[in-house]
Amino acid sequence: GQQVMQIPQYQHVQEGEDFTTYCNSSTTLSNIQWYKQRPGGHPVFLIQLVKSGEVKKQKRLTFQFGEAKKNSSLHITATQTTDVGTYFCAGASSNTGKLIFGQGTTLQVKP
Amino acid sequence: GAVVSQHPSRVICKSGTSVKIECRSLDFQATTMFWYRQFPKQSLMLMATSNEGSKATYEQGVEKDKFLINHASLTLSTLTVTSAHPEDSSFYICSATGFSPLHFGNGTRLTVT
Repeated sequence: GQQVMQIPQYQHVQEGEDFTTYCNSSTTLSNIQWYKQRPGGHPVFLIQLVKSGEVKKQKRLTFQFGEAKKNSSLHITATQTTDVGTYFCAGASSNTGKLIFGQGTTLQVKP
Repeated sequence: GAVVSQHPSRVICKSGTSVKIECRSLDFQATTMFWYRQFPKQSLMLMATSNEGSKATYEQGVEKDKFLINHASLTLSTLTVTSAHPEDSSFYICSATGFSPLHFGNGTRLTVT
């Protein structure tokens, strides 16, 4: 079945450093979504990417969707302590429409 | 924006009892709702897809007789964990979509003692 792999599992950075998490799907996706979950909270939608090669920015966050629509990345520039949390990618299968989540990357930021 | 309400937020029950979790879309009609389960420090695993007016579609490995799903209206889906056991202790979260993306409820933390 469809698998969505996300790396790294954990990342500790010093405040001000950059951070990137990568997501790879075993199948072509119709779209990919990114969510952020704070400790004890529920996932909150960040963004959706639909087009091949699409790049979207939200302030210090840059999201990319691969040309083959099978991979994606989230890059945070100059991390802040408020960026702490677990970032999940979720891929929607082109065939089934189901949304499958990656394992998540937990970001810790040292002040 | 779209709001999904989930109730209760926390529940502690004894082994062998059943627990019902409600998921409501407050300001939109959700023909489809999804139920996910999340173990500590793990990802969200799709349990089932709940379709209004029809039977839920369960993912492989999820017991449909144990996790009963009812989607009786366009704004309400319920998940009942029957004969709960300690291994059912987890964070259960619903989501609803009228359009992508998903809007999540706040989740229910179930502890079975």
